[in-house]
Amino acid sequence: GAVVSQHPSRVICKSGTSVKIECRSLDFQATTMFWYRQFPKQSLMLMATSNEGSKATYEQGVEKDKFLINHASLTLSTLTVTSAHPEDSSFYICSAISRGAYNSPLHFGNGTRLTVT
Amino acid sequence: SQKIEQNSEALNIQEGKTATLTCNYTNYSPAYLQWYRQDPGRGPVFLLLIRENEKEKRKERLKVTFDTTLKQSLFHITASQPADSATYLCALSISGTYKYIFGTGTRLKVLA
Repeated sequence: GAVVSQHPSRVICKSGTSVKIECRSLDFQATTMFWYRQFPKQSLMLMATSNEGSKATYEQGVEKDKFLINHASLTLSTLTVTSAHPEDSSFYICSAISRGAYNSPLHFGNGTRLTVT
Repeated sequence: SQKIEQNSEALNIQEGKTATLTCNYTNYSPAYLQWYRQDPGRGPVFLLLIRENEKEKRKERLKVTFDTTLKQSLFHITASQPADSATYLCALSISGTYKYIFGTGTRLKVLA
C-alpha cells in the first residue's frame, strides 16, 4: 500500500519551454504532498508543500512563479517548471502523506530527471 | 541555523557485519526522526520512525537509536547483505508541520 507514482521519469526539454511533472497517490488520499529537488550526492531540498484545494507554500528562495504547483485533488499534484533553463536541470521528487499526523511516514515517487538543453 | 550531518563519506563493510550509520544534528529539537533508504535514480523508501521519547526501535535486521542529549541517531543493519547497499538518509521533523529536513545521506556498500 501507499504507492506514489511520478511521471515522467525522465524528460529532456529545450531552454525556454515549460515542463509538467505529475505526482499521483495510487491507493490512498494524500492531503499533503511535498516537492523536492536533489542534486548529485546531495540531500533532498524541500521546495514546497502542497495541500489539496489550497495554494502551495514555498520554501525560502524558491520562485513560486517559476515552479508552479497545483494540488487539484486528493490524489494528484503537479509541478510545472516554467521557462526552464539549464540550471533547472535536476532530479525532482514528490512525496505524500496518507494521514494528517506529524509522525506520518513520507511516501515518495521515483523522481523525475529533468535535463534542460 | 539547523544542521544535520551524516557520514559524508561512503561506508564499505564486509557482508555479515553490522553497519552503523550516524546522524547528528544541531540547533534543533525534533519530535520525530525517520530513516529512509534511497537507491540510485529512485525516490527514498521509508524504513523506521523513532519518537523523541523512545531510545530504540527495531525492525527485523534494522535498529535505530535516538539520543536527544547527544543530538544523535544511530542506524544499525545487522548481518548486512550486498542487497543492503544503498544511500541511507535521516530526516528530522519540523515542529508543528508535516515537513521533514533531510540529511545528506550516507552511501553504504556491503562487499560480498
